[in-house]
Amino acid sequence: GENVEQHPSTLSVQEGDSAVIKCTYSDSASNYFPWYKQELGKRPQLIIDIRSNVGEKKDQRIAVTLNKTAKHFSLHITETQPEDSAVYFCAAMANTGNQFYFGTGTSLTVIP
Amino acid sequence: DAGVIQSPRHEVTEMGQEVTLRCKPISGHDYLFWYRQTMMRGLELLIYFNNNVPIDDSGMPEDRFSAKMPNASFSTLKIQPSEPRDSAVYFCASSLGRGYTFGSGTRLTVV
Repeated sequence: GENVEQHPSTLSVQEGDSAVIKCTYSDSASNYFPWYKQELGKRPQLIIDIRSNVGEKKDQRIAVTLNKTAKHFSLHITETQPEDSAVYFCAAMANTGNQFYFGTGTSLTVIP
Repeated sequence: DAGVIQSPRHEVTEMGQEVTLRCKPISGHDYLFWYRQTMMRGLELLIYFNNNVPIDDSGMPEDRFSAKMPNASFSTLKIQPSEPRDSAVYFCASSLGRGYTFGSGTRLTVV
């Protein structure tokens, strides 16, 4: 089955700096890669996703890049703000099923 | 739509008691997932259903856990008997196609 690894497990940045979270996956059949943000005590919420037919997608201050050859994808947050502080999860899904394989999460702290 | 609705939000029970967690998926979604979240193990998929049929229950930790989906609008996750190591946040999620929508979760504490 699919194995998704996520790094780093914790990340602290100064407000205004950029944050990058990286994930790797093992199954070349995976073709959909969402990112979820979970604030303390809240549910995970989808913030951005990318399909395997594109290499990059942007939505305001967040972007995701995908390298299919190397089987890795990354989340980039620019101009970080304190409200970006949360746990971020990456996931991968293959066509063969509807099951997400989640990474272990990155706890991001933005220091004002 | 009110989203995925889970109940109760919090549950405190004594070891050995039966616990039932409930989930109402988003209307029209054909997949339903039960996840358990702990600090040590992150988000673990317990079981998922497609059109009310269990597809993969390999994540269910042991026979004390069972899940049902009697119709498209309701699912339960039951733990009998409960143990302190079952303490976690249990999330239900539903989907139609690619995106998951999570419920607010049930925080279970077994003392």
